Amino acid sequence: AQTVTQSQPEMSVQEAETVTLSCTYDTSESDYYLFWYKQPPSRQMILVIRQEAYKQQNATENRFSVNFQKAAKSFSLKISDSQLGDAAMYFCAYRNTNAGKSTFGDGTTLTVKP
Amino acid sequence: NAGVTQTPKFQVLKTGQSMTLQCAQDMNHEYMSWYRQDPGMGLRLIHYSVGAGITDQGEVPNGYNVSRSTTEDFPLRLLSAAPSQTSVYFCASSKGTSRTEAFFGQGTRLTVV
Repeated sequence: AQTVTQSQPEMSVQEAETVTLSCTYDTSESDYYLFWYKQPPSRQMILVIRQEAYKQQNATENRFSVNFQKAAKSFSLKISDSQLGDAAMYFCAYRNTNAGKSTFGDGTTLTVKP
Repeated sequence: NAGVTQTPKFQVLKTGQSMTLQCAQDMNHEYMSWYRQDPGMGLRLIHYSVGAGITDQGEVPNGYNVSRSTTEDFPLRLLSAAPSQTSVYFCASSKGTSRTEAFFGQGTRLTVV
């Protein structure tokens, strides 16, 4: 079974600074997808960024980028120019070819200090 | 465009009561799933469905039943509520390709007393 580990329960960053959230996963499959979701206090799950395992290029979405290291099974999220609205819980998720099933990490609570 | 709609948003049950959490999506997604989120933990998969008439167990299925009679609806039934089922429940749907993200409902906060 796949597992996803987020080793940082809490992180904090100063507004306008950069922060990196860590995620590692364990799988024996070669074809899969990885996601970062943001969950603000409203509870809504919001997709931040996705990465296809077969792509070597790291995904980017505006201020959000990933460092995907397939051999190391690592998938970290970098948030540049942090904003107060980035404060939330962030979840790393793994999905294999059976798209109905995703495995989530335990989350990292990000605090942004003004 | 409603997306994924869950009802109710909040519910309090007494131990031993049964109830159904409703989930409906209007995006014609093949895949639907139910997760529970406990404090300090990520989402854990309860049951999932890859299409109408097809369901399967996830990581924590005990105490829950599902059915998928239509593409749009995927209700979750609690057979005999227990305090251990106090949690926030999320329904999610996605298209039938792994690349697409899951779309989540707003969640149901369930308390069993």
